[in-house]
Amino acid sequence: SQQGEEDPQALSIQEGENATMNCSYKTSINNLQWYRQNSGRGLVHLILIRSNEREKHSGRLRVTLDTSKKSSSLLITASRAADTASYFCATDRGYQKVTFGIGTKLQVIP
Amino acid sequence: DTGVSQNPRHKITKRGQNVTFRCDPISEHNRLYWYRQTLGQGPEFLTYFQNEAQLEKSRLLSDRFSAERPKGSFSTLEIQRTEQGDSAMYLCASSPADRLPNYGYTFGSGTRLTVV
Repeated sequence: SQQGEEDPQALSIQEGENATMNCSYKTSINNLQWYRQNSGRGLVHLILIRSNEREKHSGRLRVTLDTSKKSSSLLITASRAADTASYFCATDRGYQKVTFGIGTKLQVIP
Repeated sequence: DTGVSQNPRHKITKRGQNVTFRCDPISEHNRLYWYRQTLGQGPEFLTYFQNEAQLEKSRLLSDRFSAERPKGSFSTLEIQRTEQGDSAMYLCASSPADRLPNYGYTFGSGTRLTVV
């Protein structure tokens, strides 16, 4: 079963615009992670935010976490064509494995 | 050792045949995970190892599936009597147990299985 749900499922933006993806989950977590997957490839870990953190930055990425609403958002600023990929949130409930959502497919148009 | 390596990248097999995939994790990572991903879905957990011990198996892992990590290094995932529903991308990931739980996984590029 998949714990997280990303929203929207697909997003198309122009290069240079910001992209925001949301993730909702159902149960309490230790941390939440975001991954990127290029078509037909493995996943790449982008950023991890712990349950006691509210916001985290890494380069052009900004992640927020609201544990009261059981939701997270990933913001990619100044998007580039190379950001075109699927983005997944994954929750770690402390059971030693992460559970993935169904992903947001992002297309950045040059 | 620059990452997680999976072989083969692609496998086409006839229904009813057995297939085996291999995963070589990052050498200092003692946790190894297997996930399965079908088209348009996120990865689904199958099983994981800490060193050579298989610590958890998903109910998705039917008795046709078996995974091993004999010396705590590489791992194999075998599917016996393949069915068309087994067609998917099989992903392997690793992580260092001593940095858990707040550490992300490193994934391989996956093995895409097509059962015809």
